[in-house]
Amino acid sequence: QSVLTQPPSVSGAPGQRVTISCTGSSSNIGAGYDVHWYQQLPGSAPKLLIYDNNNRPSGVPDRFSGSKSGTSASLAITGLQAEDEAEYYCQSYDSSPSPHVVFGGGTKLTVL
Amino acid sequence: QVQLQESGPGLVKPSETLSLTCTVSGGSISGYYWSWIRQPPGKGLEWIAFIYYSGSTNYNPSLKSRVTISLDTSENQFSLRLTSVTAADTAVYYCARHRCTGGSCYLGLFDSWGQGTLVTVSS
Repeated sequence: QSVLTQPPSVSGAPGQRVTISCTGSSSNIGAGYDVHWYQQLPGSAPKLLIYDNNNRPSGVPDRFSGSKSGTSASLAITGLQAEDEAEYYCQSYDSSPSPHVVFGGGTKLTVL
Repeated sequence: QVQLQESGPGLVKPSETLSLTCTVSGGSISGYYWSWIRQPPGKGLEWIAFIYYSGSTNYNPSLKSRVTISLDTSENQFSLRLTSVTAADTAVYYCARHRCTGGSCYLGLFDSWGQGTLVTVSS
């Protein structure tokens, strides 16, 4: 059971907008720790998609965006494309029982 | 561009020790934090531990009693030891570099990953 909670799956048609939620608690996201997002294509290592809640590394399309509020964060993907079909993970830091890195359980995005 | 490559046995017997090495090429191990992260088949990611090039470490509280992370700057490598393994430790193990910008590094943000290596715990 992951410290950060994500929906197991989401889906959308090409061109549509989807969002993936990441719910934490007062010891992680709610404590002010930033949220980062990774995309994992089948058979590949995760790739950094969004960092510090809403920043994109060089090369990541602006169709991907992130936000954070309170104890939750969200990843939004607009103009959905077939190549976006992947697993998405949120990640943050948790202070309990001692500071450490935590991941969400992952969300499988299916492009219909 | 930095590249990371995991190496080690793909099969470990229950109760024995899992040992993996990550070789860093195309860049120096100095100045960065380095982590091990694992992913059981069909499941999510779990952070295991990180080490700074100076030698300071941090461990996942749930694994701390069984894990040791170390590094060899002369070989540009860092390593993982996980003792008393069980089938629950079967996973793809990734090594990763923490993102550093403007002279400061993130304790929990990974910008480069190895391809991962599957370790199966079975007799």
